[in-house]
Amino acid sequence: AQKVTQAQTEISVVEKEDVTLDCVYETRDTTYYLFWYKQPPSGELVFLIRRNSFDEQNEISGRYSWNFQKSTSSFNFTITASQVVDSAVYFCALSYLGADGLTFGKGTHLIIQP
Amino acid sequence: DGGITQSPKYLFRKEGQNVTLSCEQNLNHDAMYWYRQDPGQGLRLIYYSQIVNDFQKGDIAEGYSVSREKKESFPLTVTSAQKNPTAFYLCASSIVLGDAGANVLTFGAGSRLTVL
Repeated sequence: AQKVTQAQTEISVVEKEDVTLDCVYETRDTTYYLFWYKQPPSGELVFLIRRNSFDEQNEISGRYSWNFQKSTSSFNFTITASQVVDSAVYFCALSYLGADGLTFGKGTHLIIQP
Repeated sequence: DGGITQSPKYLFRKEGQNVTLSCEQNLNHDAMYWYRQDPGQGLRLIYYSQIVNDFQKGDIAEGYSVSREKKESFPLTVTSAQKNPTAFYLCASSIVLGDAGANVLTFGAGSRLTVL
């Protein structure tokens, strides 16, 4: 069975601080995919990144960066110099070869205070 | 602009009534999905469809029904058999890649159902 754990239910930081959202996953599959989605107050989830299990390179996109470590089954997300607009619920998700849907974590509510 | 339209945004229902949530996409995506979100919980898959006139149950299909008569539309009916229907419902769609596990989902803005 697959499982995604986001242990941080809520994080509150002051604007311009760096913040890391943790994601730990469990799967027996050797080929799988990891995702991060952002859910702003408007409700719709916005895709941020997809990473397959064979690509362990870290990725940076502007202020966002992701650290994928198969050895610890983690796929953490860091926001550098956070901004108020980053306030949202962030979901980590997992799928596997041939899967027809995603397994989501419970989400981390990120609050950026001005 | 292409996207997914869900309606209504808010819906109130009395116990024992069926309700249908609409989901329409103009992205020309083959696959469509329904997820349920409860406070402090992740999203759970209700139903999904890869092609017209075909759909499969997800993890929590009991008390729900769907149809896929058109590529663009995937309505969800919450029946009176659903014991705890109050939730936020999200519709999503995706192209179908060779490996379905790699599909990137595009989501609608959701429908919030409250049972009175």
